Amino acid sequence: KNQVEQSPQSLIILEGKNCTLQCNYTVSPFSNLRWYKQDTGRGPVSLTIMTFSENTKSNGRYTATLDADTKQSSLHITASQLSDSASYICVVSLGGGSYIPTFGRGTSLIVHP
Amino acid sequence: DGGITQSPKYLFRKEGQNVTLSCEQNLNHDAMYWYRQDPGQGLRLIYYSQIVNDFQKGDIAEGYSVSREKKESFPLTVTSAQKNPTAFYLCASREDLQETQYFGPGTRLLVL
Repeated sequence: KNQVEQSPQSLIILEGKNCTLQCNYTVSPFSNLRWYKQDTGRGPVSLTIMTFSENTKSNGRYTATLDADTKQSSLHITASQLSDSASYICVVSLGGGSYIPTFGRGTSLIVHP
Repeated sequence: DGGITQSPKYLFRKEGQNVTLSCEQNLNHDAMYWYRQDPGQGLRLIYYSQIVNDFQKGDIAEGYSVSREKKESFPLTVTSAQKNPTAFYLCASREDLQETQYFGPGTRLLVL
């Protein structure tokens, strides 16, 4: 069964600190992996996308890594800001022409001043 | 101003009533999706459509219905058969090049 597991479930950090969120997946065949940011009461917004051959992708203070051999990804947030408080969702897409991605449950991040 | 819109933002349903959630996109995307989001859970797929006049059931289609008469529109009806409809509903469209899904702002459905 295709699954995406994220950890931790929730995280509280102080403003200015760094943090790393984890994503493990069993989706096969693998096509790509995305990280989305979802603010409370809003729709998710794509942060990064990585294919099988990519190891790292940055978007400002967000850096995603991918290890396709171990089927693990991480999202590193540098110098956190209050606006980073949100849910971060890992999404993995199947290869082979499937149009249905598999969503993780998300990590809820709270940044305190 | 391109994007995907959903309306209404909040919707109240009385018992036994059918309600319809609107989803419109002007991104010229072929594929559209409806998801349900409950607290502490990931997005669950209700229905998806890869092209006009075609749609497929997702994991939790029971109690829901959709239509896809136009490329821009993919309305979702929550029928009285859906016994636990209270949730946050998200519509998405998908671009073909990188297969990225673009989400609307969501509709929160509450039962009176």
